[in-house]
Amino acid sequence: DAGVIQSPRHEVTEMGQEVTLRCKPISGHDYLFWYRQTMMRGLELLIYFNNNVPIDDSGMPEDRFSAKMPNASFSTLKIQPSEPRDSAVYFCASRLDGGRELFFGEGSRLTVL
Amino acid sequence: GNSVTQMEGPVTLSEEAFLTINCTYTATGYPSLFWYVQYPGEGLQLLLKATKADDKGSNKGFEATYRKETTSFHLEKGSVQVSDSAVYFCALRGGDYKLSFGAGTTVTVRA
Repeated sequence: DAGVIQSPRHEVTEMGQEVTLRCKPISGHDYLFWYRQTMMRGLELLIYFNNNVPIDDSGMPEDRFSAKMPNASFSTLKIQPSEPRDSAVYFCASRLDGGRELFFGEGSRLTVL
Repeated sequence: GNSVTQMEGPVTLSEEAFLTINCTYTATGYPSLFWYVQYPGEGLQLLLKATKADDKGSNKGFEATYRKETTSFHLEKGSVQVSDSAVYFCALRGGDYKLSFGAGTTVTVRA
């Protein structure tokens, strides 16, 4: 079975540009999570969805960040405009309702110059 | 709120050495506890878990026991291999179903 699929795997962009990261969760999973990983702050939960509805976005750093989940098989995390301090690895993860294991994608490494 | 504190790294070991990574937590109620592993260039993978006090999670030679009295979930392996080189994350899930991760401990095993 396919795991959580993220794209792009690597993105290099210039400050001020819009960045869109994509995630396809495991089919049938009810919960989807977006995490950011940096050396300074470790893993931070940005936002999570249950049945396509955003439940908690308190981890989203600022208004430049937005996330959507238009259907059960797709989610996006958008940064507009991007800044160098947004450089990080962004992970998407999903799990079943009631399930204890969180399944992670391979991450999208973002570099903002 | 819920939080996890784990031993800072990096940790460098020789093959066949004993590995311990300390993890303590703060939580209300009865959280579930996890260890995740991240190999270079990959996402996190669940290594083991424990859902109630005194449970022992184990996988791939790694073990961790859920100690409520000391609020700890230390990870141990008796004889590490080069292939165990990775970043290890302790995590907690409380009643809100959100995972709180520790900062991660980088482990390097040398042949």
